Amino acid sequence: QVQLVESGGGVVQPGRSLRLSCAASGISFSNYGMHWLRQAPGKGLEWVAGIWSDGSNKYYADSVKGRFTISRDNSKNTLYLQMNSLRAEDTAVYFCAREAVHLRFGVFDIWGQGTMVTVSS
Amino acid sequence: QSVLTQPPSVSGAPGQRVTMSCTGSSSNIGAGYDVHWYQQLPGTAPKLLIYGNNNRPSGVPDRFSGSKSGTSASLAISGLQAEDEADYYCQSYDISLSGLYVFGTGTKVTVL
Repeated sequence: QVQLVESGGGVVQPGRSLRLSCAASGISFSNYGMHWLRQAPGKGLEWVAGIWSDGSNKYYADSVKGRFTISRDNSKNTLYLQMNSLRAEDTAVYFCAREAVHLRFGVFDIWGQGTMVTVSS
Repeated sequence: QSVLTQPPSVSGAPGQRVTMSCTGSSSNIGAGYDVHWYQQLPGTAPKLLIYGNNNRPSGVPDRFSGSKSGTSASLAISGLQAEDEADYYCQSYDISLSGLYVFGTGTKVTVL
């Protein structure tokens, strides 16, 4: 079964850290670039970070650069997002998604169900 | 802060045809990058609806169609159905801004 399952969300105080995980199954994980995206409550979608299939290249939105780190373990079919120095504006549902290079550059064809991160004192 | 602009809402009666626009600039859509569309039902993850401007993934009804011209793109839904009531987002790539993958502001489709 093709699916991505995020975990690790929760309530955290400003300035603290949190690590999200995204477990993949049925999607040939090691062959695809993977991404994290987020959606603040009642707002639109925002791309957060991406990583190449072999993990050799990583890129970030300016809003999280220097605070968030994306990584992957292809042996475990798992994607990670380490979030440090969290701010109230990071409050959002975080989705992981596969970049479908077999379809077209820059399109996300499989999404997880999302995990909620709330940054509040 | 979304880079691509969409109308906040569109509505139509069942069976009608509705369209929504996605306006970008010379650094994204106008630079030749593809536009993709996603449907997000309430409380769920986005679902890929159209990729590469006008291609439907397997399983997406042909009632949905996309087009692109210049710095804009559009999504059309023909034969509107109650289950089409959702938020729709366009997405592209931008070469000038901090967010490499950019999304539209989103359009809420209401079936009257």
